[in-house]
Amino acid sequence: DIVMTQTPNSLSVSPGQPASISCKSSQSLLHTDGKTYLYWFLQRPGQSPQLLIYEVSSRFSGVPDKFSGSGSGTDFTLKISRVEAEDVGVYYCMQGYNLPPTFGQGTKVEIK
Amino acid sequence: EVQLVESGGGLVKPGGSLRLSCAVSGLTFSNAWMTWVRQAPGRGLQWVGRIKKKSDGGTTDYAAPVEGRFSISRDDSENTLYLQMNSLKTEDTAVYYCATGGGGNGYWGQGTLVTVSS
Repeated sequence: DIVMTQTPNSLSVSPGQPASISCKSSQSLLHTDGKTYLYWFLQRPGQSPQLLIYEVSSRFSGVPDKFSGSGSGTDFTLKISRVEAEDVGVYYCMQGYNLPPTFGQGTKVEIK
Repeated sequence: EVQLVESGGGLVKPGGSLRLSCAVSGLTFSNAWMTWVRQAPGRGLQWVGRIKKKSDGGTTDYAAPVEGRFSISRDDSENTLYLQMNSLKTEDTAVYYCATGGGGNGYWGQGTLVTVSS
């Protein structure tokens, strides 16, 4: 199975400040079809996960543009341009390159 | 608005069975690959399995820990996804989410709690 490793495990950010989360995969997620199957999710406290970013950098329906994804191969980053209270929760990356899809361990983001 | 609503969770003894349902609305269910993902209490996310749309063969794939015990099916006429869980173990205790996409890379339901305990 592909191992997904996120850093840091937790992050405390002042309101209005940016935040960045790294995700590394144990093998390249670049498929022969030219797509890279890396996704980002946010799980707010007490809620189900919601998809933020698909295929490295495309925002899912309704996701604000303060969220952006970047990276290639095995190294990926999620950035939040200005953190607000509603952004608190656990962020997960996930690979959909091959079976089984696997998730990172999660990064907990809180407000200072 | 896309909605996924899981049901069927509850308390079951080790070795028992349970069937979860996921009612989907707001999208063309028959065109969607569907996935089950679980989350043990206080833990991260674990992919359980998926079912392709019928036009892609309608086949299923499972995670190793549930292979041979769990079965995913769909009823496109009822816009409903199912997860049949047999030979349940204490380590299957989790919130089970249904989601669109082969890896859950779409819309998610609110989840249903399955507790396996004697």
